[in-house]
Amino acid sequence: GAVVSQHPSWVICKSGTSVKIECRSLDFQATTMFWYRQFPKQSLMLMATSNEGSKATYEQGVEKDKFLINHASLTLSTLTVTSAHPEDSSFYICSAIGTRYRYGYTFGSGTRLTVV
Amino acid sequence: AQKVTQAQTEISVVEKEDVTLDCVYETRDTTYYLFWYKQPPSGELVFLIRRNSFDEQNEISGRYSWNFQKSTSSFNFTITASQVVDSAVYFCALGFTGGGNKLTFGTGTQLKVEL
Repeated sequence: GAVVSQHPSWVICKSGTSVKIECRSLDFQATTMFWYRQFPKQSLMLMATSNEGSKATYEQGVEKDKFLINHASLTLSTLTVTSAHPEDSSFYICSAIGTRYRYGYTFGSGTRLTVV
Repeated sequence: AQKVTQAQTEISVVEKEDVTLDCVYETRDTTYYLFWYKQPPSGELVFLIRRNSFDEQNEISGRYSWNFQKSTSSFNFTITASQVVDSAVYFCALGFTGGGNKLTFGTGTQLKVEL
């Protein structure tokens, strides 16, 4: 089946530093990738949609300059949290769909970011 | 606008009980997809089912079954003979191709199955 690998699983960083999260589709070409943010005991909130080779489309209220998304190839999308602050601490999860997706949207395992 | 409502925030049952998780959706699109995902404490989302708007057949997969009723815009999920391993947060989600394939998630239902 379709597999999406997300790294790192967890990361702790100091306030003011940047953190990069990678999302890779292992056995299919991901034409579209989605990045979500989830606070404890809350639902997943879509941050942005990225199509390979195009600029990401951000949801209303999401800072483009803070959350940099790059979808440079059909198998890799990255989310960089720039100048992270404690309020950016959250669970970030990516999902991907390809031209043929039997199982629906495939999700990565998520990244728990803690900014101290 | 797309909207998914999961009115049950938390459900507690004793093992072997049957439990139904409710999902009500709103959409103006005629072609859409409905999903259920399981999120165990580890955080990853586990795909359970996808149903398109033209397929109202109910589905059964082992102890899981789904009841899709367009007339009431509902897509309910039943676990028969629940087990402790079923404890997780369950999300219902709505997607449609016209919206760039975005998924709209419900707020989730925390299911606790106790011995």
